[in-house]
Amino acid sequence: KQEVTQIPAALSVPEGENLVLNCSFTDSAIYNLQWFRQDPGKGLTSLLLIQSSQREQTSGRLNASLDKSSGRSTLYIAASQPGDSATYLCAVCITQGGSEKLVFGKGTKLTVNP
Amino acid sequence: NAGVMQNPRHLVRRRGQEARLRCSPMKGHSHVYWYRQLPEEGLKFMVYLQKENIIDESGMPKERFSAEFPKEGPSILRIQQVVRGDSAAYFCASSPLGGVRGEQFFGPGTRLTVL
Repeated sequence: KQEVTQIPAALSVPEGENLVLNCSFTDSAIYNLQWFRQDPGKGLTSLLLIQSSQREQTSGRLNASLDKSSGRSTLYIAASQPGDSATYLCAVCITQGGSEKLVFGKGTKLTVNP
Repeated sequence: NAGVMQNPRHLVRRRGQEARLRCSPMKGHSHVYWYRQLPEEGLKFMVYLQKENIIDESGMPKERFSAEFPKEGPSILRIQQVVRGDSAAYFCASSPLGGVRGEQFFGPGTRLTVL
């Protein structure tokens, strides 16, 4: 059974710091991995999607890496800003018997202090 | 191109009533997924549908819950005889090709409160 773990559960940093969020998954048979951002009481915003054949994706100040064989992904945020404060979710896409679904971690709650 | 739309955004029901949650996927998307987020928990898969077909309902509770995605109109998640434990945020996602090759795009969610 696929399980996704995110460490740390919460993180507080001063503005301007570079930071890394970690995601690990137990079964390397994934098709892609997505990082999302969730603001309180809001929906999910997709940040980056990495296909299983890729090693990393970049968008602006965000860089996500994927090491499928070791079951790990990291989300790197450069020069953090207070507006980056949110919960960051990692999810892997798996297939089972013709179906497909995302398996989510519980998230890392990030606070960037001015 | 409007994003995934869900309504209502907030829904309050008393125990024993029915809850109907609606999801309109992005234009051109024929794959719909429902997830549930219980308080202090991660999102959990409930059901995967394509037009007029339930592909996978392995995450749905065995009783009281049902889902459909008709040929015309939105996808509906229906919860009969709600109980307090059904209080959660319910998210719908859509994809044009299926998650294996494409992203899943999420709606804003419906927050269900059962009194």
